[in-house]
This record gives sequence, C-alpha cells and structure tokens, in this order.
Amino acid sequence: QVQLQESGPGLVKPSETLSLTCTVSGDSLSPYHWNWIRQPPGKGLEWVGYISYRGSTNYNPSLKSRVTISVDTSKNQFSLKLTSVTAEDTAVYYCAREVGSRGFDFWGQGTLVTVSS
Amino acid sequence: QSALTQPASVSGSPGQSITISCTGTSSDVGGYNFVSWYQQYPGKAPKLKIYEVSNRPSGVSDRFSGSKSGNTASLTISGLQAEDEADYYCSSYISSSTYVVFGGGTKLTVL
Repeated sequence: QVQLQESGPGLVKPSETLSLTCTVSGDSLSPYHWNWIRQPPGKGLEWVGYISYRGSTNYNPSLKSRVTISVDTSKNQFSLKLTSVTAEDTAVYYCAREVGSRGFDFWGQGTLVTVSS
Repeated sequence: QSALTQPASVSGSPGQSITISCTGTSSDVGGYNFVSWYQQYPGKAPKLKIYEVSNRPSGVSDRFSGSKSGNTASLTISGLQAEDEADYYCSSYISSSTYVVFGGGTKLTVL
C-alpha cells in the first residue's frame, strides 16, 4: 500500500520560505506525477504544482513565481519550496500521487503550515 | 483561474439519492473527460471517488456514480448512508499549463 507523509515546519514567518518534504513508501516514484495541493482553513482545495519522476514540473500560474518542486529519487521524496510567504499561504498542505488522467489516488495526511510572526 | 462552481450544500435522507453538480466552461469540464470527484471528512485528506468523469477506483462503492453533460459534471450518490456525510470536491484538467482546477466544495448532510 502506497503511503505519503508530509514533514516540515508548522510555523513560518511572513516573507520567509515555506519548505515541506513528502516521503513516499510502498512504491517507487516512477511513473507518476507527484503533487502538492493546499487547503486554507475552512476553504477549498487549490492545486499548487507537480513534479514527475523524471523531474519535469508544472506549477499553478498564480503561484508560479514563488514555487519550486524538486525530487530526490534516491530517498523516494519530493519537496516544496514557496518563497515570500504571507498569511494567505496559511493552509493544510497535502502531497498526492497522480496517475495520468486518473486523478489524485493517494494522499498524505496533510500538514498545517501557519504563516505568522 | 476560476474555481469550478458547486452548490455550497445539499442534503438527503438515508436511502435517497442526491446529485452534486460541478459547472465549468468549455475550457475545462466541457473540453476534457478528465473530471474527478473527492470525498473529504473533517480533518482528513480527500479520497478519490470518481475519475475520468464516470470511473470508480477499485474499492469505491457502486453507489457513487459520475456523469457529464456539456460544461456540467455531476456526482450521484444513491442509497444515501450516514457515512456519506462529508464535503465533496470536483476537479477538472484545464490545460497543459494551468493543469488542474477544483470546485469550491459541497457539504453533504444526511438528514
């Protein structure tokens, strides 16, 4: 059974960089897309971006200038960096696996990141 | 990009059927057969219930079904059960650049 686990700081100061890692167990990173999706408290889901097992990326245009997603196949991990954060970036961040057009079939439990001084 | 439009809430009694709509445009829902539906309980991660408009992943009850007409996709839950009470989100592929957009979510209440 595939399992995903997010890790990283739960509190980030405004203007700093949010950094999260997703560790995948039970399967290799190939041949899937690995996504970050976020959900502000009490609100809906927002796709942040993905990285393929080969390292190609695609980002939400509204976040593109601030987002970087990278992959470490040796550790079966992929990571998210979001720069210049504001309170609007406060959200539960989920990592999720995607199989082509078949939706996001496996999700991490999510991690709450709060942006506050 | 704008989120897909879902009703804020729907409700039904046990045993009944309900339908949740997801309205987009010809650039997303209407343009591709890549609509998915997710169920989310409070404090939990979403769970995939439908992909590619009408396909169920292995293990998902056949009480859940999906369809699409024009720019509107629908999720139907038949034989409502108390455990179906949750938030439901649709998503659609939008383009190779924007990629994926979600609906605003619908809260299902089982009366």
